[in-house]
Amino acid sequence: AQKVTQAQTEISVVEKEDVTLDCVYETRDTTYYLFWYKQPPSGELVFLIRRNSFDEQNEISGRYSWNFQKSTSSFNFTITASQVVDSAVYFCALSEEKDSSYKLIFGSGTRLLVRP
Amino acid sequence: AAGVIQSPRHLIKEKRETATLKCYPIPRHDTVYWYQQGPGQDPQFLISFYEKMQSDKGSIPDRFSAQQFSDYHSELNMSSLELGDSALYFCASSSITAGTSIYEQYFGPGTRLTVT
Repeated sequence: AQKVTQAQTEISVVEKEDVTLDCVYETRDTTYYLFWYKQPPSGELVFLIRRNSFDEQNEISGRYSWNFQKSTSSFNFTITASQVVDSAVYFCALSEEKDSSYKLIFGSGTRLLVRP
Repeated sequence: AAGVIQSPRHLIKEKRETATLKCYPIPRHDTVYWYQQGPGQDPQFLISFYEKMQSDKGSIPDRFSAQQFSDYHSELNMSSLELGDSALYFCASSSITAGTSIYEQYFGPGTRLTVT
């Protein structure tokens, strides 16, 4: 069965520290997509990145970077020089295909608190 | 750009009452997903529709039903509400034909349902 594990329930850092959020997934599919979403206290789900299973290139977007390693089934997310506005719950997710549906399987989330 | 619209944004109901949540997908999107996020939980897939037909079903209680209409909007009907139904309900839309990735789901802002 598809599964996403975010072992870190909560992380607390001081502003300007770097922080890495871990994500490990399980799937039998050869083609799949992985995602990261941010959920600030206001509650909406903010899309951060989508990565397909054939593209293992790491990606950097500003202070955000992602490390995808199929060999370890991991898709980790690093925030460099964290800011208070980064405080949120971060979810890693895996797409699962069935017929014409591509539902998302979410991890349990990591709550990040960035202290001033 | 147009986003996914959900209404109402907040809803308060009493136990045993009925609630209807509405979702208006992005224009030209043909697929709708519903997710339920309980307090402190990750979003859980409920049900999806493609071209007005149910395409996949998750752990949706029998008290819940949903459908997608000819204009592609979707409604989630919940009857005999229980305290445990209090949650944030997200709708997401995607498209197989609109030129965007079929794996990418665009989330609405959510409907916060409180059952008292």
